[in-house]
Amino acid sequence: AQSVTQLGSHVSVSEGALVLLRCNYSSSVPPYLFWYVQYPNQGLQLLLKYTTGATLVKGINGFEAEFKKSETSFHLTKPSAHMSDAAEYFCAVSVPFGNEKLTFGTGTRLTIIP
Amino acid sequence: DSGVTQTPKHLITATGQRVTLRCSPRSGDLSVYWYQQSLDQGLQFLIHYYNGEERAKGNILERFSAQQFPDLHSELNLSSLELGDSALYFCASSGDPFSGNTIYFGEGSWLTVV
Repeated sequence: AQSVTQLGSHVSVSEGALVLLRCNYSSSVPPYLFWYVQYPNQGLQLLLKYTTGATLVKGINGFEAEFKKSETSFHLTKPSAHMSDAAEYFCAVSVPFGNEKLTFGTGTRLTIIP
Repeated sequence: DSGVTQTPKHLITATGQRVTLRCSPRSGDLSVYWYQQSLDQGLQFLIHYYNGEERAKGNILERFSAQQFPDLHSELNLSSLELGDSALYFCASSGDPFSGNTIYFGEGSWLTVV
């Protein structure tokens, strides 16, 4: 079975500072990895995903993540935080060629300090 | 707008009652997933249907059931409701479940059991 661990349930950064949200996964086979964002009272929106190929993945709103197999990590970064980035972020894993059920981490709430 | 439509958006009901949540997937998507999001359990996978057939079950209680109809819309039935069933229920859809396609989420149905 696969699992995801998100380090830090709450992260605060200043506007303009680097955003780093950590995600480590466990999977018995090479996984598919995802980051979703949830704004207050809204659904989940896909930020980016890794399936195969290039390990540095670029997503929407200036976010990117790097798949590091040796570290079993898929950390999410953004060079410069905006106030609009305040939301909850979920890392998720699925198994290729399976039923694509997503297993989510517990989420990280990102607060932007003006 | 993800293209996944869920109704109702909000629902308040009493313990012991039964409710039905409805989901229309994105046009052309054959897979429908149901997830439950609660404060104590986080995002939990409930069940996956592909083209009308159940593909996988997760942490779905026996009091809960789901189905996917020939027109691909899906319903999640929750019966003998308890206070602990209060949660945000997401429907999600995707295309081919074997190729790492993105899973798109609806905005959810907020269920409050009183």
